[in-house]
Amino acid sequence: DSGVTQTPKHLITATGQRVTLRCSPRSGDLSVYWYQQSLDQGLQFLIQYYNGEERAKGNILERFSAQQFPDLHSELNLSSLELGDSALYFCASSLAGQGATEAFFGQGTRLTVV
Amino acid sequence: GDSVTQMEGPVTLSEEAFLTINCTYTATGYPSLFWYVQYPGEGLQLLLKATKADDKGSNKGFEATYRKETTSFHLEKGSVQVSDSAVYFCALSGAQKLVFGQGTRLTINP
Repeated sequence: DSGVTQTPKHLITATGQRVTLRCSPRSGDLSVYWYQQSLDQGLQFLIQYYNGEERAKGNILERFSAQQFPDLHSELNLSSLELGDSALYFCASSLAGQGATEAFFGQGTRLTVV
Repeated sequence: GDSVTQMEGPVTLSEEAFLTINCTYTATGYPSLFWYVQYPGEGLQLLLKATKADDKGSNKGFEATYRKETTSFHLEKGSVQVSDSAVYFCALSGAQKLVFGQGTRLTINP
Protein backbone atom coordinates (compact mmCIF):
# COMPACT_ATOMS: atom_id res chain seq x y z
CA ASP A 1 0.00 0.00 0.00
CA SER A 2 1.57 3.26 -1.21
CA GLY A 3 -0.56 5.47 1.00
CA VAL A 4 -2.01 7.31 -2.00
CA THR A 5 -5.75 6.84 -2.38
CA GLN A 6 -7.65 7.36 -5.59
CA THR A 7 -11.38 7.23 -6.09
CA PRO A 8 -13.28 5.90 -7.87
CA LYS A 9 -11.42 2.82 -9.11
CA HIS A 10 -13.58 2.49 -12.19
CA LEU A 11 -15.74 4.95 -14.04
CA ILE A 12 -17.88 4.43 -17.11
CA THR A 13 -19.48 7.46 -18.69
CA ALA A 14 -20.82 8.70 -22.00
CA THR A 15 -19.21 11.05 -24.48
CA GLY A 16 -19.79 14.70 -23.72
CA GLN A 17 -20.07 14.15 -19.98
CA ARG A 18 -17.92 15.51 -17.16
CA VAL A 19 -16.25 13.51 -14.40
CA THR A 20 -14.14 14.24 -11.35
CA LEU A 21 -11.32 12.02 -10.15
CA ARG A 22 -10.11 12.35 -6.60
CA CYS A 23 -6.71 11.77 -5.03
CA SER A 24 -5.56 11.81 -1.41
CA PRO A 25 -1.76 11.97 -1.13
CA ARG A 26 0.41 10.18 1.39
CA SER A 27 0.42 11.78 4.80
CA GLY A 28 2.98 14.59 4.80
CA ASP A 29 3.42 14.78 1.03
CA LEU A 30 2.90 18.25 -0.41
CA SER A 31 3.17 17.49 -4.13
CA VAL A 32 0.54 15.78 -6.23
CA TYR A 33 1.06 14.70 -9.82
CA TRP A 34 -1.48 13.47 -12.33
CA TYR A 35 -0.58 11.06 -15.13
CA GLN A 36 -2.58 9.51 -17.94
CA GLN A 37 -1.76 6.00 -19.10
CA SER A 38 -3.17 4.90 -22.43
CA LEU A 39 -2.53 1.49 -23.93
CA ASP A 40 -0.20 2.73 -26.63
CA GLN A 41 1.30 5.87 -25.11
CA GLY A 42 2.83 4.92 -21.82
CA LEU A 43 2.67 7.45 -19.02
CA GLN A 44 1.87 11.03 -19.94
CA PHE A 45 2.42 13.73 -17.35
CA LEU A 46 -0.60 16.01 -17.02
CA ILE A 47 -0.06 18.44 -14.17
CA GLN A 48 1.61 18.94 -10.78
CA TYR A 49 0.50 20.83 -7.69
CA TYR A 50 2.62 21.73 -4.72
CA ASN A 51 0.97 22.84 -1.50
CA GLY A 52 -2.09 24.12 -3.30
CA GLU A 53 -0.38 25.86 -6.21
CA GLU A 54 0.06 24.68 -9.76
CA ARG A 55 3.75 23.95 -10.25
CA ALA A 56 4.11 22.33 -13.66
CA LYS A 57 1.94 21.56 -16.62
CA GLY A 58 2.37 18.79 -19.15
CA ASN A 59 0.25 17.58 -22.02
CA ILE A 60 -3.03 18.47 -20.37
CA LEU A 61 -5.96 19.25 -22.64
CA GLU A 62 -7.94 22.45 -22.17
CA ARG A 63 -10.99 20.28 -21.40
CA PHE A 64 -9.13 18.99 -18.33
CA SER A 65 -8.46 20.93 -15.16
CA ALA A 66 -7.20 20.16 -11.70
CA GLN A 67 -6.83 21.70 -8.29
CA GLN A 68 -5.30 20.94 -4.93
CA PHE A 69 -7.27 21.84 -1.83
CA PRO A 70 -6.05 23.16 1.55
CA ASP A 71 -6.16 19.64 2.99
CA LEU A 72 -3.84 18.67 0.08
CA HIS A 73 -6.20 16.31 -1.67
CA SER A 74 -6.50 16.90 -5.38
CA GLU A 75 -9.19 16.57 -8.01
CA LEU A 76 -8.84 16.13 -11.75
CA ASN A 77 -11.85 17.32 -13.74
CA LEU A 78 -12.40 15.98 -17.23
CA SER A 79 -15.14 17.56 -19.33
CA SER A 80 -16.67 17.15 -22.79
CA LEU A 81 -15.37 13.62 -22.71
CA GLU A 82 -14.37 11.88 -25.90
CA LEU A 83 -13.78 8.20 -26.64
CA GLY A 84 -10.06 8.88 -26.78
CA ASP A 85 -10.05 10.00 -23.15
CA SER A 86 -10.54 6.40 -22.06
CA ALA A 87 -7.43 5.57 -20.07
CA LEU A 88 -5.99 4.88 -16.65
CA TYR A 89 -5.47 8.07 -14.65
CA PHE A 90 -2.85 7.91 -11.93
CA CYS A 91 -2.18 10.26 -9.10
CA ALA A 92 1.20 10.29 -7.40
CA SER A 93 2.52 12.21 -4.44
CA SER A 94 5.92 13.17 -3.14
CA LEU A 95 7.32 15.23 -0.33
CA ALA A 96 9.32 17.64 -2.47
CA GLY A 97 8.11 20.28 -4.85
CA GLN A 98 11.30 21.74 -6.28
CA GLY A 99 13.03 18.95 -8.13
CA ALA A 100 11.24 15.65 -8.14
CA THR A 101 12.16 12.93 -5.71
CA GLU A 102 10.59 9.52 -5.93
CA ALA A 103 6.84 9.61 -6.20
CA PHE A 104 4.33 7.16 -4.78
CA PHE A 105 1.45 6.15 -6.97
CA GLY A 106 -2.17 5.37 -6.28
CA GLN A 107 -3.95 2.39 -7.82
CA GLY A 108 -5.41 4.55 -10.54
CA THR A 109 -8.87 5.30 -11.89
CA ARG A 110 -9.86 3.43 -15.02
CA LEU A 111 -12.05 5.71 -17.11
CA THR A 112 -14.09 4.24 -19.92
CA VAL A 113 -15.93 6.63 -22.22
CA VAL A 114 -18.65 5.00 -24.28
CA GLY B 1 14.14 18.45 -22.78
CA ASP B 2 14.63 15.52 -20.46
CA SER B 3 13.81 12.10 -21.88
CA VAL B 4 14.11 8.40 -21.14
CA THR B 5 14.44 5.63 -23.72
CA GLN B 6 13.80 2.01 -22.83
CA MET B 7 14.32 -1.13 -24.84
CA GLU B 8 11.17 -2.05 -26.67
CA GLY B 9 9.17 -4.98 -25.48
CA PRO B 10 7.59 -7.26 -24.98
CA VAL B 11 10.30 -9.40 -23.45
CA THR B 12 9.61 -13.09 -22.82
CA LEU B 13 11.99 -15.25 -20.80
CA SER B 14 11.99 -18.61 -19.12
CA GLU B 15 12.12 -18.90 -15.35
CA GLU B 16 15.67 -18.59 -13.92
CA ALA B 17 16.92 -16.75 -17.00
CA PHE B 18 19.08 -13.63 -16.73
CA LEU B 19 17.27 -10.35 -17.31
CA THR B 20 18.50 -7.06 -18.72
CA ILE B 21 16.21 -4.18 -19.62
CA ASN B 22 18.11 -1.30 -21.17
CA CYS B 23 17.45 2.31 -20.23
CA THR B 24 19.24 5.43 -21.42
CA TYR B 25 18.43 9.01 -20.61
CA THR B 26 18.97 12.60 -21.71
CA ALA B 27 18.89 15.25 -19.04
CA THR B 28 20.39 18.53 -17.99
CA GLY B 29 22.14 18.43 -14.67
CA TYR B 30 22.35 15.31 -12.55
CA PRO B 31 18.96 13.73 -12.14
CA SER B 32 18.02 10.88 -9.84
CA LEU B 33 17.10 7.69 -11.66
CA PHE B 34 14.38 5.19 -10.84
CA TRP B 35 12.87 1.90 -11.88
CA TYR B 36 9.18 1.42 -11.27
CA VAL B 37 7.21 -1.80 -11.70
CA GLN B 38 3.53 -2.15 -12.55
CA TYR B 39 1.90 -5.51 -11.86
CA PRO B 40 -1.35 -6.33 -13.68
CA GLY B 41 -4.25 -4.22 -12.48
CA GLU B 42 -2.14 -2.19 -10.08
CA GLY B 43 -0.43 1.17 -9.85
CA LEU B 44 3.28 1.81 -10.23
CA GLN B 45 5.56 0.80 -7.38
CA LEU B 46 9.06 2.10 -6.84
CA LEU B 47 11.45 -0.80 -7.39
CA LEU B 48 14.82 0.89 -6.90
CA LYS B 49 16.58 4.20 -7.25
CA ALA B 50 20.00 5.82 -7.57
CA THR B 51 20.70 9.45 -6.82
CA LYS B 52 24.21 10.02 -8.17
CA ALA B 53 26.75 8.64 -10.60
CA ASP B 54 28.07 5.14 -9.85
CA ASP B 55 25.33 4.52 -7.27
CA LYS B 56 23.81 1.06 -7.47
CA GLY B 57 20.16 0.65 -6.58
CA SER B 58 18.95 -2.79 -5.60
CA ASN B 59 15.77 -4.45 -4.40
CA LYS B 60 14.18 -7.92 -4.61
CA GLY B 61 17.17 -9.25 -6.58
CA PHE B 62 17.01 -6.46 -9.14
CA GLU B 63 19.94 -4.09 -9.63
CA ALA B 64 20.73 -1.01 -11.68
CA THR B 65 23.85 1.18 -11.74
CA TYR B 66 23.81 4.91 -12.54
CA ARG B 67 26.33 5.29 -15.37
CA LYS B 68 26.93 8.95 -16.16
CA GLU B 69 29.48 8.29 -18.90
CA THR B 70 27.00 6.24 -20.91
CA THR B 71 23.86 7.98 -19.55
CA SER B 72 22.39 4.60 -18.75
CA PHE B 73 20.55 2.84 -15.93
CA HIS B 74 20.01 -0.73 -17.10
CA LEU B 75 17.91 -3.05 -14.97
CA GLU B 76 19.30 -6.55 -14.27
CA LYS B 77 18.28 -9.66 -12.39
CA GLY B 78 20.25 -12.86 -12.24
CA SER B 79 17.38 -15.34 -12.09
CA VAL B 80 13.84 -14.24 -12.88
CA GLN B 81 10.67 -15.82 -11.56
CA VAL B 82 7.15 -16.06 -12.88
CA SER B 83 6.11 -13.49 -10.28
CA ASP B 84 8.39 -10.90 -11.94
CA SER B 85 6.00 -10.70 -14.89
CA ALA B 86 5.00 -7.04 -15.06
CA VAL B 87 5.64 -3.78 -16.90
CA TYR B 88 8.86 -2.01 -15.94
CA PHE B 89 9.35 1.74 -16.27
CA CYS B 90 12.62 3.62 -16.14
CA ALA B 91 12.31 7.22 -14.95
CA LEU B 92 14.37 10.28 -14.11
CA SER B 93 13.68 13.22 -11.87
CA GLY B 94 13.26 16.27 -14.08
CA ALA B 95 12.94 19.85 -12.95
CA GLN B 96 9.39 19.45 -11.71
CA LYS B 97 8.27 15.95 -12.49
CA LEU B 98 9.29 12.39 -13.09
CA VAL B 99 9.95 11.65 -16.75
CA PHE B 100 9.11 8.07 -17.71
CA GLY B 101 10.18 5.76 -20.46
CA GLN B 102 7.55 3.95 -22.47
CA GLY B 103 7.67 0.83 -20.31
CA THR B 104 8.81 -2.71 -21.09
CA ARG B 105 6.39 -5.59 -20.66
CA LEU B 106 8.13 -8.64 -19.21
CA THR B 107 6.60 -12.11 -19.27
CA ILE B 108 8.27 -15.02 -17.51
CA ASN B 109 7.23 -18.52 -18.51
CA PRO B 110 7.55 -21.44 -16.07
